[in-house]
Amino acid sequence: DAKTTQPPSMDCAEGRAANLPCNHSTISGNEYVYWYRQIHSQGPQYIIHGLKNNETNEMASLIITEDRKSSTLILPHATLRDTAVYYCIVRVASNAGNMLTFGGGTRLMVKP
Amino acid sequence: DTAVSQTPKYLVTQMGNDKSIKCEQNLGHDTMYWYKQDSKKFLKIMFSYNNKELIINETVPNRFSPKSPDKAHLNLHINSLELGDSAVYFCASSQGSGTNQPQHFGDGTRLSIL
Repeated sequence: DAKTTQPPSMDCAEGRAANLPCNHSTISGNEYVYWYRQIHSQGPQYIIHGLKNNETNEMASLIITEDRKSSTLILPHATLRDTAVYYCIVRVASNAGNMLTFGGGTRLMVKP
Repeated sequence: DTAVSQTPKYLVTQMGNDKSIKCEQNLGHDTMYWYKQDSKKFLKIMFSYNNKELIINETVPNRFSPKSPDKAHLNLHINSLELGDSAVYFCASSQGSGTNQPQHFGDGTRLSIL
């Protein structure tokens, strides 16, 4: 699976958009980009995933560059409850199991 | 209405004891997982079960034995607990074992070995 690089921490003002970058320059054509987050003392929570196209759901938007070597998770209107560690994961499609490999993630602090 | 529930939430025990952690999911998923999050906060896969059959077993000591009585349950039994087993253990589930299936996690079991 491709390695990902994320900034260790970021701050965002409440109500503003939070843009979390992720580099995955060695990504293969059949690898998906996943985003999870972990709020303190809770289990990881699935946010969104994509392969090539940009994706949007009720939680966030995922922008994947045309060369697929990087992506950005966008929380359009960050709230204090969005303070968490955000993990970007790339994973090849496989029937041998759905193993997620978590890196260090980005610690997002949403401030009032 | 908890989707993935683990019990107990906290577990404090002595070195050398045997303990079990239970996990149940009510999402109708057929794949379940156990992850370990150590003191440095890195999450690592331990096991993956699909329809009660083991499909992933990462490099985990054989003191750890998962048991899946049915596809809604995946329990983790640990023999001869060691200090290094202190961690937070997360159970997760997904619909199918393919990559395109997001995983849903429980809130973890915090295991402390004295």
